[in-house]
Amino acid sequence: DARVTQTPRHKVTEMGQEVTMRCQPILGHNTVFWYRQTMMQGLELLAYFRNRAPLDDSGMPKDRFSAEMPDATLATLKIQPSEPRDSAVYFCASGPNRDPWDGYTFGSGTRLTVV
Amino acid sequence: AQKITQTQPGMFVQEKEAVTLDCTYDTSDPSYGLFWYKQPSSGEMIFLIYQGSYDQQNATEGRYSLNFQKARKSANLVISASQLGDSAMYFCAMREPAHNNAGNMLTFGGGTRLMVKP
Repeated sequence: DARVTQTPRHKVTEMGQEVTMRCQPILGHNTVFWYRQTMMQGLELLAYFRNRAPLDDSGMPKDRFSAEMPDATLATLKIQPSEPRDSAVYFCASGPNRDPWDGYTFGSGTRLTVV
Repeated sequence: AQKITQTQPGMFVQEKEAVTLDCTYDTSDPSYGLFWYKQPSSGEMIFLIYQGSYDQQNATEGRYSLNFQKARKSANLVISASQLGDSAMYFCAMREPAHNNAGNMLTFGGGTRLMVKP
């Protein structure tokens, strides 16, 4: 089965450090989403890309977060500097953005803890 | 305003019984789609079922069916013959065209935690 691969699975870092999360979307999928999941806020859309172009990152704190897609096989989400309130699970999802709409596929997530 | 509303934070159901999880949505676009995802305690997001706004029939996938009522803007998930392994968080999500017309946004509701009792 094709899958979305996220690395690392877990990350513990100190406040102020840079964090980089990586996502390898499914080959042929041209839409990539980044979500953050917390108990309080649920699933928040941070950014999304279509054909590697960033289309919407309005949900992302611009002063510390950045999202890029340097090529079709890699999407990155960076936090610099990290803060304890960034602790969450970060999901990447990819999809073909066309019929048949058989679901966007999620990665296993990166569980980030900032201490 | 919330795009996707799931009014049941938690629900119990007896094993082997059917259960309905509610989802209402808000969009002005005629072309949209509704998804349901399952998130077990392990954390992964598992796609269950999809309903397009132009689909004439309600979607079904095994024990899952989607009760799509377009005029009421509701897309409830029905799980028949509940099993212990169905205990999880369930998320309703909507795909709709982005404002810049360059793709589709995918927005999630707050989720419903389903607990199946033996």
